Amino acid sequence: SQTIHQWPATLVQPVGSPLSLECTVEGTSNPNLYWYRQAAGRGLQLLFYSVGIGQISSEVPQNLSASRPQDRQFILSSKKLLLSDSGFYLCAWRPPTVLNTEAFFGQGTRLTVV
Amino acid sequence: DQQVKQNSPSLSVQEGRISILNCDYTNSMFDYFLWYKKYPAEGPTFLISISSIKDKNEDGRFTVFLNKSAKHLSLHIVPSQPGDSAVYFCAASPRPGSARQLTFGSGTQLTVLP
Repeated sequence: SQTIHQWPATLVQPVGSPLSLECTVEGTSNPNLYWYRQAAGRGLQLLFYSVGIGQISSEVPQNLSASRPQDRQFILSSKKLLLSDSGFYLCAWRPPTVLNTEAFFGQGTRLTVV
Repeated sequence: DQQVKQNSPSLSVQEGRISILNCDYTNSMFDYFLWYKKYPAEGPTFLISISSIKDKNEDGRFTVFLNKSAKHLSLHIVPSQPGDSAVYFCAASPRPGSARQLTFGSGTQLTVLP
């Protein structure tokens, strides 16, 4: 069966510090991968998605970047965090199929920038 | 530009009664719709979906209705239980062959009162 791992679960970082959140998927090949953010009291905003190694699409301009160094690994990074980067970050994957399927989410990372 | 809208940020329902959560969309390219349930500090979990070729899909206590002409879908929970208290997100996906990302609404906090 497929599983998705996301870490760390919580993170408190000072303004101006770097960020690296990692997500890995097991039990599938060539998944579509996604990073979402849920800001306080708001919905899920798509930040990045990837349909293959090294292929990253950005949905919104921001202080963050994403990379996919391996097929089942998706990394969210920042060189210098801003206060506005605080939020709940979620990684998700979907099968690489032409059929309609749901996305499967990790447990999320609560990032607080202080 | 919010392509998927959940206009009710919160809903309170008595245990045993029906909960109706609503969602509207604007993009006519959407043809697959999903509902997710989310508890605090956890990733969303898939609940139920519907393809645009159907107008109703039922799974136990959960039924999703789709009105394509009105670009509206709703989730009915009958009977509502206290454990159903969570944030519910609707999501929409374009036709297969696109980038396959999901667009989420802003969520509705459902509270089921015992």
